[in-house]
Amino acid sequence: EPEVTQTPSHQVTQMGQEVILRCVPISNHLYFYWYRQILGQKVEFLVSFYNNEISEKSEIFDDQFSVERPDGSNFTLKIRSTKLEDSAMYFCASSWGVVTDTQYFGPGTRLTVL
Amino acid sequence: AQSVTQPDIHITVSEGASLELRCNYSYGATPYLFWYVQSPGQGLQLLLKYFSGDTLVQGIKGFEAEFKRSQSSFNLRKPSVHWSDAAEYFCAVGAQSGGGADGLTFGKGTHLIIQP
Repeated sequence: EPEVTQTPSHQVTQMGQEVILRCVPISNHLYFYWYRQILGQKVEFLVSFYNNEISEKSEIFDDQFSVERPDGSNFTLKIRSTKLEDSAMYFCASSWGVVTDTQYFGPGTRLTVL
Repeated sequence: AQSVTQPDIHITVSEGASLELRCNYSYGATPYLFWYVQSPGQGLQLLLKYFSGDTLVQGIKGFEAEFKRSQSSFNLRKPSVHWSDAAEYFCAVGAQSGGGADGLTFGKGTHLIIQP
């Protein structure tokens, strides 16, 4: 069964450094998402991406975040200058369509900012 | 804006016993409702979803959920739990506005513990 993959599984970085989290969505999916889950809190939507541009974003997704689909398979989340409060599990998801179509989630990348 | 409440942070159930996990949502229009499960170290796996039609939906692993509009609820049930059901369960609501791909809004999750 096709699945969403994410690398790395765990990333440790120093405050102020840039990080790039990588995702490979399911191959025939058209919509891509990033979510985050701070330890002990709920999963929160960050951004959705369709047709090579951002479709929707939450208030969390500020100027320090960016997303890109650099080639036909990868989908990346960049955090320009990490803060302590960016420490969280970051989930990538993909779907064929919107809303009524299932979003398939990857296993997540745990980001630790020191 | 939509919201989801899962009132139970932890639930402990004996193996073989029945299970009900509660979920209440707030959304102005017809909601699209989902239950996901997260096992340790794993991503979120969809158990079931409701969009329209029959208010009792069947999912994978023997789970079902019932949409009750009058109570704004979408409770998850299983008649007999197995030790492998121990996991974190998330209720979520989806919406679509302006043609964009809105993300899901999740509840805080319910941690299910299975006693032998």
